[in-house]
Formats: sequence, structure tokens, C-alpha cells
Amino acid sequence: NAGVTQTPKFQVLKTGQSMTLQCAQDMNHEYMSWYRQDPGMGLRLIHYSVGAGITDQGEVPNGYNVSRSTTEDFPLRLLSAAPSQTSVYFCASRQGGLGTDTQYFGPGTRLTVL
Amino acid sequence: GEDVEQSLFLSVREGDSSVINCTYTDSSSTYLYWYKQEPGAGLQLLTYIFSNMDMKQDQRLTVLLNKKDKHLSLRIADTQTGDSAIYFCAERGTGFQKLVFGTGTRLLVSP
Repeated sequence: NAGVTQTPKFQVLKTGQSMTLQCAQDMNHEYMSWYRQDPGMGLRLIHYSVGAGITDQGEVPNGYNVSRSTTEDFPLRLLSAAPSQTSVYFCASRQGGLGTDTQYFGPGTRLTVL
Repeated sequence: GEDVEQSLFLSVREGDSSVINCTYTDSSSTYLYWYKQEPGAGLQLLTYIFSNMDMKQDQRLTVLLNKKDKHLSLRIADTQTGDSAIYFCAERGTGFQKLVFGTGTRLLVSP
């Protein structure tokens, strides 16, 4: 199993550009999430999904869209990039909603918005 | 809302014990977790504790939970240079399933 994969690893955008961060998992997990990691702030939840076709907002959803057309993929779209979206983005997945279910993280995408 | 706090930095010598502390505010937390992040990598789950437990031991790792004071700690025995990383505590309430993460503690282990 490849686990949780993310592409690209690094990206530089200009203000106003749009792009999609890709996330895929091959563990047949129902739950997938996107987090952003900023210095001194830990990880904050952007959007999450509890299954194909079901998504919901997390703590900091503004400026981001998601969709979940398949169990495997959970892309994150930046509609019009802003410097405040400069961050490291992590995708995560887990089997279900039990507290004992391990959440697996991807390696991250480092995004810089100029 | 929920808040999880950690000290930012800890430095120890190889072979010593490390203790990383975490405080949280959500009294409805059901599970508390410790994650490790190595440079350039994602987070890896180290261990977790259910809120009705006060201690859990897993090889070199000991987790202590004081639910009354909402204080969680991670003790690493015989700390090695390979333990150098950022350690995050996280708590999960009774809702979806959102995890609230602390700011992370950077552990530096010197030879």
C-alpha cells in the first residue's frame, strides 16, 4: 500500500491564481481530511469527508473547496490564492469514526503564494 | 472553543528521559493523542489514551492523563537522537471527529 499520497510536494503561486492539491489513499478509508499547518498554530482542519459524496467544513474553510467523487481521492481547490494561504497542507485518512482508528497523514504540500 | 497548548521547545541529552506536556480545555474530550512529525514528513501517530484512563505505557512511551486538570504528558524513556522531532498532542471531542491539535513541541536530543 502507498498509504496517503499528495501532489505536488512544493508549489509557488501568484496571488489570484487557482490550483488543486491532490490527495489519494489506497486503504479504502471512509474518512478523509485536509489540514493546514502554520508556525506556532499546530494543524487546523480545513474540510473533511466521511464518505464519497459527503463533505463538510472544518475550522478554516474560507477560500477552499473540496469534492469527494470517489473513496480514494479528495482534492483541495484554491479558487483565488492569497498570501494568507501560504502554508503546509496535509491530507489525512482513517477507516472510520472510532477514536481508536488511526489517522494516516500524507507527506504534505508546501505552498507559497506571492 | 477547544484549545490545546504545549510548550514550544525541549532539549535533552541522549539517554535522559523527556517529558512533553500538554493542556487542553475541552472537558468532553474522549480520546487524546500524541503524534510525531519528523522534518519534511507528515504526522505519525505514536499513541493515544482514552479519557477514562490515567496512564498508558507502550515500550519507551508513557502517557499520563490528569482529567481533572486537563493535563496530558508524554514521557520518553532513554531518549535517542532519533527521537528528535516535533511532537503534537491532539484531542477529540464527542463531535465528528475533528481533532484539535496543539502547537507542537520541538524536541532536540543532543549526544
